[in-house]
Amino acid sequence: GDSVTQMEGPVTLSEEAFLTINCTYTATGYPSLFWYVQYPGEGLQLLLKATKADDKGSNKGFEATYRKETTSFHLEKGSVQVSDSAVYFCALSPGGYQKVTFGTGTKLQVIP
Amino acid sequence: DADVTQTPRNRITKTGKRIMLECSQTKGHDRMYWYRQDPGLGLRLIYYSFDVKDINKGEISDGYSVSRQAQAKFSLSLESAIPNQTALYFCATSDPLTGRTETQYFGPGTRLLVL
Repeated sequence: GDSVTQMEGPVTLSEEAFLTINCTYTATGYPSLFWYVQYPGEGLQLLLKATKADDKGSNKGFEATYRKETTSFHLEKGSVQVSDSAVYFCALSPGGYQKVTFGTGTKLQVIP
Repeated sequence: DADVTQTPRNRITKTGKRIMLECSQTKGHDRMYWYRQDPGLGLRLIYYSFDVKDINKGEISDGYSVSRQAQAKFSLSLESAIPNQTALYFCATSDPLTGRTETQYFGPGTRLLVL
């Protein structure tokens, strides 16, 4: 079945550091890929998404590129802020009547 | 007002008690989901419903039941709560008309403690 693997956290960075959170997936067909973010005390919300190979999703300074050849969708940000501290989930959706598969989440802590 | 609401936000109960968690949405979405979140395990799907007449088990449905009372309402019940059901529970909705780009919209969560 489908699966999503994320790097284990927590990840601790200083403000303005470069961020990479790795995500790889296993799926049949051509799923859509997503990054969701969960701020403390809140539910998950969509951060960005990509629907086909080589698509780049971007939002709030975060970017991720759909790499079919490496089955990856790594999340990056050039300069993190304290307000980016949250848990980040990678997910895939095959579409249709198939359910979404989430990774286990990576906690990011940004210190001033 | 929030598009997806959950009640209660926090609940403490005792082993063996029956409890219900409720979810309401104003997004007009047909699809609704219940997940639980545990540290280190991420999100696990309990039940999902693709429309009012459709209910499906997820990967961890044992010990849980659901009711889809209307398009806007999806309730999760623990018939006889046990301590390992202590977790953070999320309701979510999605719109199938968006196809493969289908985004899930989450409620704020219910933190449940079973003593």
